[in-house]
Amino acid sequence: GAGVSQTPSNKVTEKGKYVELRCDPISGHTALYWYRQSLGQGPEFLIYFQGTGAADDSGLPNDRFFAVRPEGSVSTLKIQRTERGDSAVYLCASSLGGMFTDTQYFGPGTRLTVL
Amino acid sequence: GNSVTQMEGPVTLSEEAFLTINCTYTATGYPSLFWYVQYPGEGLQLLLKATKADDKGSNKGFEATYRKETTSFHLEKGSVQVSDSAVYFCALPGGKLIFGQGTELSVKP
Repeated sequence: GAGVSQTPSNKVTEKGKYVELRCDPISGHTALYWYRQSLGQGPEFLIYFQGTGAADDSGLPNDRFFAVRPEGSVSTLKIQRTERGDSAVYLCASSLGGMFTDTQYFGPGTRLTVL
Repeated sequence: GNSVTQMEGPVTLSEEAFLTINCTYTATGYPSLFWYVQYPGEGLQLLLKATKADDKGSNKGFEATYRKETTSFHLEKGSVQVSDSAVYFCALPGGKLIFGQGTELSVKP
């Protein structure tokens, strides 16, 4: 079946602009996660949704970052007033139920470049 | 808080060599442990996992044993192939995943 998809695959923007990154999880997965991966580093957690609600947003770096999942499936990560330090690969993952032992399935990522 | 420490890379091996990538963790309780792999140009995918102490996870010739006494989950493979060239991440779940910094493996023919 279809895996996790993310769009766009690449996004180049200018400092100060607003961007939206989209994630389509695997159908039926209730848990959805966003991570950010900088070059040469492991992914860092941003936010976790269980259904429509953000169960844990402790990884969001500041109030310029916001994410929604209004219908419990597709999610959008929104970044306002982008900064050069926001450049990274943004990864989305989904899992069946969000339990500790559940496997998270990752999308290919969106590479964001802020000029 | 919970954390994962992973052997630094890059690691370069010849085909058929033995591989070990070290991973140790700090966590409350006894969590599950995962190894993820990122092949060039591809997304992260689960390689193997162990859900309790003394469990051994295995897949594609790779193995890792969950050692509670040493808080370790080292990844091993007896004979690596060129196709194993990738970045390997040890991860600790707790809702979100906590990843190590990754170890890049390059296998030469």
